[in-house]
Amino acid sequence: KQEVTQIPAALSVPEGENLVLNCSFTDSAIYNLQWFRQDPGKGLTSLLLIQSSQREQTSGRLNASLDKSSGRSTLYIAASQPGDSATYLCAVIGIKAAGNKLTFGGGTRVLVKP
Amino acid sequence: DGGITQSPKYLFRKEGQNVTLSCEQNLNHDAMYWYRQDPGQGLRLIYYSQIVNDFQKGDIAEGYSVSREKKESFPLTVTSAQKNPTAFYLCASTGQGSNQPQHFGDGTRLSIL
Repeated sequence: KQEVTQIPAALSVPEGENLVLNCSFTDSAIYNLQWFRQDPGKGLTSLLLIQSSQREQTSGRLNASLDKSSGRSTLYIAASQPGDSATYLCAVIGIKAAGNKLTFGGGTRVLVKP
Repeated sequence: DGGITQSPKYLFRKEGQNVTLSCEQNLNHDAMYWYRQDPGQGLRLIYYSQIVNDFQKGDIAEGYSVSREKKESFPLTVTSAQKNPTAFYLCASTGQGSNQPQHFGDGTRLSIL
């Protein structure tokens, strides 16, 4: 059974510092891995999707890497801003998963202090 | 604007009552999903539907029911059999293929009176 873990559960950094968020998964047979952002009381916003054949994806200040063999992904946010404060979730679609369902990690809550 | 609309934003349930959460999408997506989120936890799949008039149980389907009579709509009913319904419920949809991102609504927060 696929399990996804995000450590740490919470992170606090001063503004301007780079953020590094970690995600690990137990079964490397995946179609893709997705990173989401969730603001308090809101739904999820898709940030980046990395297909299993890719090593990384970039969008603006965000860069996500994928190492399928070791079951790890890292989300880098450059030059953090207070507006980056949110919970970040990673999720995978396993090849064995019915209906392309996502398996989520528990999230990392990020606070960027001005 | 294309997107997913969930209503209501807040919902209260009395003991023994069934309540229905609405989810509508205008993205022309075939697949739709219902997730439950508990405080400090990731999302868990309740039900999903890959095509009209067909749906499948997810990991925590007990006490819930769904229907998919139209492509745009995937309502979730929380029945009285669900003994711990207090949670944040999120609806999602995605296009065909395994490498399409899932898009989410803004959620419905359900509480017990």
